Amino acid sequence: EAQVTQNPRYLITVTGKKLTVTCSQNMNHEYMSWYRQDPGLGLRQIYYSMNVEVTDKGDVPEGYKVSRKEKRNFPLILESPSPNQTSLYFCASSSVDKSSYEQYFGPGTRLTVT
Amino acid sequence: QQQVKQSPQSLIVQKGGISIINCAYENTAFDYFPWYQQFPGKGPALLIAIRPDVSEKKEGRFTISFNKSAKQFSLHIMDSQPGDSATYFCAASRLFQGAQKLVFGQGTRLTINP
Repeated sequence: EAQVTQNPRYLITVTGKKLTVTCSQNMNHEYMSWYRQDPGLGLRQIYYSMNVEVTDKGDVPEGYKVSRKEKRNFPLILESPSPNQTSLYFCASSSVDKSSYEQYFGPGTRLTVT
Repeated sequence: QQQVKQSPQSLIVQKGGISIINCAYENTAFDYFPWYQQFPGKGPALLIAIRPDVSEKKEGRFTISFNKSAKQFSLHIMDSQPGDSATYFCAASRLFQGAQKLVFGQGTRLTINP
């Protein structure tokens, strides 16, 4: 089954404790992206990656890091989480084929930083 | 600055009625306008999409109406059903550094009363 998986699904942590949210896709997609979803703001892009070792900032990158060492994996790293990073996070992937613009989303990770 | 503005934030419709969600965009470089549907606890999933060279696209009970001159587009759900209760996001996409970059609206929580 074609899918994007994220782990963990739920995470409660304290300010300053480093954490990583994993993302993996099995569709051989070149493009992967992280979004955060906040009430009244929709989904906002944090970082994206065009391919292995190619990453770039999205619209709200402050406080986040990413890496793309393998095509299927795109982890999101919060080096020193703060309460304003409490949010619902989604990983997504898509082909860069211009005939296919659909992005496939993972199930989400709900993060609470106290 | 919100590049895609979506309204209303929430909507309650009786079963069998028509649900209408509106979006407006600013950047004329956008060339693809998808709608994503999100059920509780799930990631968004592509519902229907349109390109700016057509004024309407229909898939089953779902129709996108597109007004290029007004820079507005809307989702119409005919014969709305309780199973349509979800959060709907409009989005606009443009080619950016070789990939389609999605910008989302704020989201609309739709409730269909039985």
